[in-house]
Amino acid sequence: DGGITQSPKYLFRKEGQNVTLSCEQNLNHDAMYWYRQDPGQGLRLIYYSQIVNDFQKGDIAEGYSVSREKKESFPLTVTSAQKNPTAFYLCASRAGTGGLGEQYFGPGTRLTVT
Amino acid sequence: GNSVTQMEGPVTLSEEAFLTINCTYTATGYPSLFWYVQYPGEGLQLLLKATKADDKGSNKGFEATYRKETTSFHLEKGSVQVSDSAVYFCALSSRGGGSQGNLIFGKGTKLSVKP
Repeated sequence: DGGITQSPKYLFRKEGQNVTLSCEQNLNHDAMYWYRQDPGQGLRLIYYSQIVNDFQKGDIAEGYSVSREKKESFPLTVTSAQKNPTAFYLCASRAGTGGLGEQYFGPGTRLTVT
Repeated sequence: GNSVTQMEGPVTLSEEAFLTINCTYTATGYPSLFWYVQYPGEGLQLLLKATKADDKGSNKGFEATYRKETTSFHLEKGSVQVSDSAVYFCALSSRGGGSQGNLIFGKGTKLSVKP
């Protein structure tokens, strides 16, 4: 089945540690995205990548880093510089043609930092 | 800049009631418009979309019409079920420039349907 996988579903870390969230897609989509979701808020864009080996900062990139070495993979690292990292993180992808197609979302990773 | 405003929740309805969730947008050009649904603890699922003015998107009994004159994309369903309880997000897809294809979301509206 084609889709987006995120692992793990729940992640716990101590403050001061970096942590990497996995996102893999087998939809052959060009574009991939990372969002952060907090209770009662909409989704906020962290980083996005329109093509392999290229990515752009979104609205809240501070304290996060990404890489896009392969078309199917777009891991997100939450660094110790991120002041409030506890949140629900969603990865998405979009087919490249046309530019206005819908995004497909993974199941999310809930990160808790204490 | 582009933005999406949707009615704040929570919205609580009885089963078989009529549902409307308002969504208005501000955008340059002609964006595509989407409704996504999120069930507890899960990612977002595309519910329906419309890509040009007067298009009507529909799926699972839900409908929304792209109204350019009122910059709106209200979500409606004639008879809700308990299984429709979820959070609904309105979104637009921007055109042009390096951010083409990026989605801008409303804050979401939580719907609870009581039996």
